[in-house]
Amino acid sequence: DAGVIQSPRHEVTEMGQEVTLRCKPISGHNSLFWYRQTMMRGLELLIYFNNNVPIDDSGMPEDRFSAKMPNASFSTLKIQPSEPRDSAVYFCASSPTGYQPYEQYFGPGTRLTVT
Amino acid sequence: GQQVMQIPQYQHVQEGEDFTTYCNSSTTLSNIQWYKQRPGGHPVFLIQLVKSGEVKKQKRLTFQFGEAKKNSSLHITATQTTDVGTYFCAGSGNQFYFGTGTSLTVIP
Repeated sequence: DAGVIQSPRHEVTEMGQEVTLRCKPISGHNSLFWYRQTMMRGLELLIYFNNNVPIDDSGMPEDRFSAKMPNASFSTLKIQPSEPRDSAVYFCASSPTGYQPYEQYFGPGTRLTVT
Repeated sequence: GQQVMQIPQYQHVQEGEDFTTYCNSSTTLSNIQWYKQRPGGHPVFLIQLVKSGEVKKQKRLTFQFGEAKKNSSLHITATQTTDVGTYFCAGSGNQFYFGTGTSLTVIP
């Protein structure tokens, strides 16, 4: 079975541009998570969906960030406008069960560089 | 701010030595998970602990959940070069947090 799929794997963009990161969770998983990882701040949970509904978006840094999950097999994380401090690795993860996070399966990540 | 802290932040060991990382939460956790992230890779789920005082083993790895469900540890016996990576705990309380991670280097 395919794992969590993320695209693109690498993204380099200029400050002010819009960036869209994509994720396809494992089929049958009910929960989807977006994380950001940097050396300074470690692994941060940005937003969590359960059955396509956003449950906790308290980790979303600011209004420039938005996430959607239009169906069970696709989610996007958009940054508009992007800034250099958004440079990080963004991971998507999915989980097979319910409200409380259980074992999470991470995608390979998108390495974003904003110049 | 960060509610799940791990120590040490970095650990260098000679191959064959033991290694332990500790995870501490400011709040009681309903469960705790451990993940391993190889350099350049993504976190991979290792195990979940749910019960107070629970101990689980995976070959050379021993995981423990504290009696108060506020701390946990991961112990690796006789490290190998394949153990290199960053080990994260992740706890569920009111919210879900990843710990700060412990980066393990194994010197052959």
